[in-house]
Amino acid sequence: RKEVEQDPGPFNVPEGATVAFNCTYSNSASQSFFWYRQDCRKEPKLLMSVYSSGNEDGRFTAQLNRASQYISLLIRDSKLSDSATYLCVVRAANYGQNFVFGPGTRLSVLP
Amino acid sequence: ETGVTQTPRHLVMGMTNKKSLKCEQHLGHNAMYWYKQSAKKPLELMFVYSLEERVENNSVPSRFSPECPNSSHLFLHLHTLQPEDSALYLCASSQVRGINEKLFFGSGTQLSVL
Repeated sequence: RKEVEQDPGPFNVPEGATVAFNCTYSNSASQSFFWYRQDCRKEPKLLMSVYSSGNEDGRFTAQLNRASQYISLLIRDSKLSDSATYLCVVRAANYGQNFVFGPGTRLSVLP
Repeated sequence: ETGVTQTPRHLVMGMTNKKSLKCEQHLGHNAMYWYKQSAKKPLELMFVYSLEERVENNSVPSRFSPECPNSSHLFLHLHTLQPEDSALYLCASSQVRGINEKLFFGSGTQLSVL
């Protein structure tokens, strides 16, 4: 089983749609969780950290379920500029405190 | 601008060449990383330096040789690479044991090995 798994995608949605991405992780000792965004041939950029109580940043909402080892990202009112690959990232002490990346889910927002 | 600068942005090299990738971070972080991203594959961790000591070498072939002379600079020396080494190489930094530690990436070097 891969350490971090994500919806395979791609997701093609119209502008204004709401889209949700799912991520599961295998290491129950995971401590920190993030969503990164990566545009084609560019570096990943931090979108948001994910906190136990859930958190929101504008149109983006992240949720964490430690019992199910599951993370989600919800994007409301999708914009063309949201088109990118979304990477789920997990960090755990027994990964040597390293950041483990999921394979990513590609989103295309269509006009 | 994330505060992590990588050069060169693009590199084409033959299998017998020797080249180096350079990374510099201006964030005052104490850990630096090299990641490899091949087409349609997840990011793979190659090396981690924490407080200038190499703490991770993720079974990377010896044709890749990292160097971390200080906490702000990181190099990846390349020699006798193979075509399958063509990929995007990303440098990143973080503040180990910092509050809510996060990774910040440089813009990457797109490497093509002919």
